[in-house]
Amino acid sequence: SQQGEEDPQALSIQEGENATMNCSYKTSINNLQWYRQNSGRGLVHLILIRSNEREKHSGRLRVTLDTSKKSSSLLITASRAADTASYFCATDAGGGNKLTFGTGTQLKVEL
Amino acid sequence: NAGVTQTPKFRVLKTGQSMTLLCAQDMNHEYMYWYRQDPGMGLRLIHYSVGEGTTAKGEVPDGYNVSRLKKQNFLLGLESAAPSQTSVYFCASSLLGALPEAFFGQGTRLTVV
Repeated sequence: SQQGEEDPQALSIQEGENATMNCSYKTSINNLQWYRQNSGRGLVHLILIRSNEREKHSGRLRVTLDTSKKSSSLLITASRAADTASYFCATDAGGGNKLTFGTGTQLKVEL
Repeated sequence: NAGVTQTPKFRVLKTGQSMTLLCAQDMNHEYMYWYRQDPGMGLRLIHYSVGEGTTAKGEVPDGYNVSRLKKQNFLLGLESAAPSQTSVYFCASSLLGALPEAFFGQGTRLTVV
């Protein structure tokens, strides 16, 4: 079964708005990562947050982590049409040797 | 710097045929992974390797075999393809397990008819 599940499954917003995606996971982790996938392409790493961190920023990205609730959120501020993609969370469940991915959120940013 | 390269990019197989997908990385990474991606299922781990000569089963290993004879290459084999193996396959590599990040290939779209 999937370690992580993203919510919502799909999200459609207007350019300039903020987009928030949530990820829930099942077992204890050391770190959580977010990846982006453009249609028909491989995944690209966006940001990593460690279990002892609560919030992290990278450019227009803000990630939060609540280990007590086993959940994380990814906020993309001032979205652009180029942000249209699928976004996945990934955790290191299983001893840190592998990344387990969630089901993803499809984000569409309209002009 | 090529990163992670997968070959082939597309393939159509008949049920029962066999094939090998090749993944090559030029970043001297220890860890390599094979995932499959199906609509609504996200990425599911098939097999992975923590170093040359090692392999381990992931979440959905049945029907697949792998080999890591050289550090830079990770091969995924389908001995007798089935329609249920129609999917997009992604290879990834990382320096040290889940840290700091995984690098992905562009994917192989496989159709089994």
